[in-house]
Amino acid sequence: DTAVSQTPKYLVTQMGNDKSIKCEQNLGHDTMYWYKQDSKKFLKIMFSYNNKELIINETVPNRFSPKSPDKAHLNLHINSLELGDSAVYFCASSQDVPNYGYTFGSGTRLTVV
Amino acid sequence: QKEVEQDPGPLSVPEGAIVSLNCTYSNSAFQYFMWYRQYSRKGPELLMYTYSSGNKEDGRFTAQVDKSSKYISLFIRDSQPSDSATYLCAMSVGGGFKTIFGAGTRLFVKA
Repeated sequence: DTAVSQTPKYLVTQMGNDKSIKCEQNLGHDTMYWYKQDSKKFLKIMFSYNNKELIINETVPNRFSPKSPDKAHLNLHINSLELGDSAVYFCASSQDVPNYGYTFGSGTRLTVV
Repeated sequence: QKEVEQDPGPLSVPEGAIVSLNCTYSNSAFQYFMWYRQYSRKGPELLMYTYSSGNKEDGRFTAQVDKSSKYISLFIRDSQPSDSATYLCAMSVGGGFKTIFGAGTRLFVKA
């Protein structure tokens, strides 16, 4: 059984479109995250939710809006997509604070053309 | 200066070699240190975590933390072609939800 699953795996879309990425975890973790990995493999946190409450909101354009309907799900909606949004987006989860690491999903490769 | 520095490589070694991967950091408040392995087109996978200074061993992998030098290492003994991946160090202060990642070192182990 997949612990952290994201859909879709690949997303190719035109500039200006709106798209969503979904994430679900079956680990019973309290905290979920969205990370962005650029072409140089650098992972940067975007958002974090703990028990459905937004606790980290990094300097991310407000075109990006996370939503956590319950503590097992965290979705990411992106409005007015730009070329610079092309990256791999990873969902992750941890049991409360991530001192002992995250469990990552397999990523969503977003390409904006 | 980035909070966590990691040489991106690539690092190429023959099968059976001992591999040493390293990160330096600037924030002396970091207390939790992690290593992740990421295969191509996959998500990062937690390999090991350590708290504060010292060594931790798990099979062929040893993680080492030297807080006085702000330096952490991951050693891989008897490296295998299946170890070929990008290795990311990560660290956190503890008590918060933020983890800072290094840029990752790309490792190739040649058969």
